[in-house]
Amino acid sequence: AQSVTQLDSQVPVFEEAPVELRCNYSSSVSVYLFWYVQYPNQGLQLLLKYLSGSTLVKGINGFEAEFNKSQTSFHLRKPSVHISDTAEYFCAVSVQGGSEKLVFGKGTKLTVNP
Amino acid sequence: NAGVTQTPKFRILKIGQSMTLQCTQDMNHNYMYWYRQDPGMGLKLIYYSVGAGITDKGEVPNGYNVSRSTTEDFPLRLELAAPSQTSVYFCASQGWRGGPSGELFFGEGSRLTVL
Repeated sequence: AQSVTQLDSQVPVFEEAPVELRCNYSSSVSVYLFWYVQYPNQGLQLLLKYLSGSTLVKGINGFEAEFNKSQTSFHLRKPSVHISDTAEYFCAVSVQGGSEKLVFGKGTKLTVNP
Repeated sequence: NAGVTQTPKFRILKIGQSMTLQCTQDMNHNYMYWYRQDPGMGLKLIYYSVGAGITDKGEVPNGYNVSRSTTEDFPLRLELAAPSQTSVYFCASQGWRGGPSGELFFGEGSRLTVL
């Protein structure tokens, strides 16, 4: 079975500072990896995904993530955050080759302060 | 384009009551899901469906039932509500591109309180 660990439950940063949200996964088979964002009182929406190919994946709103197979990590980064990036971020994993189920981490609440 | 629509958005139930959360999607997606979200716990999969007439249990199915008679609709039934079912419920759908596309589309959630 797959599992996801998000190492920080809360990350406070100042506006225009860089940020990294950490995600590690566990799986005995090859995986697909995802980051979702949830703004207050809304559902989740896809930020970016790794399916294959380049290990550096770019998503919406200036976010990017790097797949590191040896460290089983998929950390999310942004070089300069805005107040509007305040949200909860979820890392998720599914099995490569056809699993229809995603397993989500517990989430990281990013708060961007002025 | 409505996407995934959930109703109701809010509901308060008494212990022992039953209710159905409605979910419909207009994207012709094969896969549909019900998750519950509790503070600090992420999302837990309750039930999912890979197509009309096919459903399967997720991680936390006890106390819930589902059906999938059409591609569009995937209602979640709560029987004999308990305080432990107080949560925010999300319906989601996923399309097919030679396999699951990997992108889930979520509804806005249904906040349920059981007193």
